[in-house]
Amino acid sequence: KAGVTQTPRYLIKTRGQQVTLSCSPISGHRSVSWYQQTPGQGLQFLFEYFSETQRNKGNFPGRFSGRQFSNSRSEMNVSTLELGDSALYLCASYQRGGTDTQYFGPGTRLTVL
Amino acid sequence: GQNIDQPTEMTATEGAIVQINCTYQTSGFNGLFWYQQHAGEAPTFLSYNVLDGLEEKGRFSSFLSRSKGYSYLLLKELQMKDSASYLCAVSRDDKIIFGKGTRLHILP
Repeated sequence: KAGVTQTPRYLIKTRGQQVTLSCSPISGHRSVSWYQQTPGQGLQFLFEYFSETQRNKGNFPGRFSGRQFSNSRSEMNVSTLELGDSALYLCASYQRGGTDTQYFGPGTRLTVL
Repeated sequence: GQNIDQPTEMTATEGAIVQINCTYQTSGFNGLFWYQQHAGEAPTFLSYNVLDGLEEKGRFSSFLSRSKGYSYLLLKELQMKDSASYLCAVSRDDKIIFGKGTRLHILP
C-alpha cells in the first residue's frame, strides 16, 4: 500500500497570508489527524477527521481549520498567518476500531516570514 | 503534552543498552504507543502496549504498567542509526496525546 502523502512539502509565506495543506491517507484509512510540531512544544494535536466529520479538536485558535472529503483526503487551512505558525505540519492516517496506530506522512514544512 | 512526561535528552554509547521512561495520567487510558523520529523526518511506529508487561520486537522492547501510569522503551545493542527522538503517546478518551519526546544521542 502507498503511504500517507502530503503536499506541498515545503512552503514559504508571509504574515497575514493564508495557506492550505493537503493530506492523502493510506488507502482504506478513514481517519486523519493533523499535528503541528515545533522544537519547543513537540507534537501538538490540531484536529481529527473521520468520514468527513471532525471528531476531535485541539487547543488552537479558529484560524486553524480543516475538512475531509468523501475519498478521505483531508485539507487544513491556516488564515492570517503569524510568525509563530512556522512549524512542521504532520498528517497521520489510521484505521479506527483497531489499535488506532497512526501512520504519518512526511509533513509540510511551513515558514512564515 | 497533557501530563505525559519523558526525559528531554539522553546519551548512550554504541553497543550499550538504554531505557527511555514515560509517565502519564492513568484516567481514560486505553493504550500507549512509542514512535521513533529521525531529524527532519516523520515519526514511525515502534510499538503499542495495551496490557501490562514487556513486549519484545528485535532490539527494541516496550514495557507497560497500567496501574502505575508508567512505560519504558528499551533499546539494546545500540547503533548509530538509533540516534533519534523517541515519542511516547497515550490513547486516552478517544484521543492520542503525544509527549514532547526524548532526544537520544549515541556516542561511538
